[in-house]
Amino acid sequence: AQSVAQPEDQVNVAEGNPLTVKCTYSVSGNPYLFWYVQYPNRGLQFLLKYITGDNLVKGSYGFEAEFNKSQTSFHLKKPSALVSDSALYFCAGPTGGGNKLTFGTGTQLKVEL
Amino acid sequence: DTAVSQTPKYLVTQMGNDKSIKCEQNLGHDTMYWYKQDSKKFLKIMFSYNNKELIINETVPNRFSPKSPDKAHLNLHINSLELGDSAVYFCASSQYGELFFGEGSRLTVL
Repeated sequence: AQSVAQPEDQVNVAEGNPLTVKCTYSVSGNPYLFWYVQYPNRGLQFLLKYITGDNLVKGSYGFEAEFNKSQTSFHLKKPSALVSDSALYFCAGPTGGGNKLTFGTGTQLKVEL
Repeated sequence: DTAVSQTPKYLVTQMGNDKSIKCEQNLGHDTMYWYKQDSKKFLKIMFSYNNKELIINETVPNRFSPKSPDKAHLNLHINSLELGDSAVYFCASSQYGELFFGEGSRLTVL
């Protein structure tokens, strides 16, 4: 079984500063992991995914995520935050079989001027 | 063209009523899902269908009944609505693991 955890309910960062949104996973076998973003009153949108290969995965809107096996982490990063990045971010990974994707509890990112 | 579309977007109803939410995807995906997002924004999978067959049925009251007439459609019918059913319900489809979500249907039970 696999699950993901997002330890922070909210992350605040100033525009132009780097941002990190944390995700850790527990897994049996090789993990594959996702990041999704949800803007207010919208559905979730895919940002990026890790399956195998390079530990640094690049995604939409300038986001990237680093898969770290020793720390069982898959943190989402962006070198320079924008106010428009303010949204709810979800880490996700499969649990069990049957294409079941389980989401973390979400982290609200607030980017301020 | 909206890839995954849900109707209605908003639904306000009384306790005890029966309501349905419809979902259609035009992506040609084989797998479709219903997720529930509660007031704390937690997302929980409810059901999944693969090519019209039920493959995931989480611990959901049997008042909730999904139906997939074909692989492009997955509807959700809810009987005897309760206050605790108030939430945003998201439909999604997937191919190769990546989910594509609809915009959500906000259900409010009074």
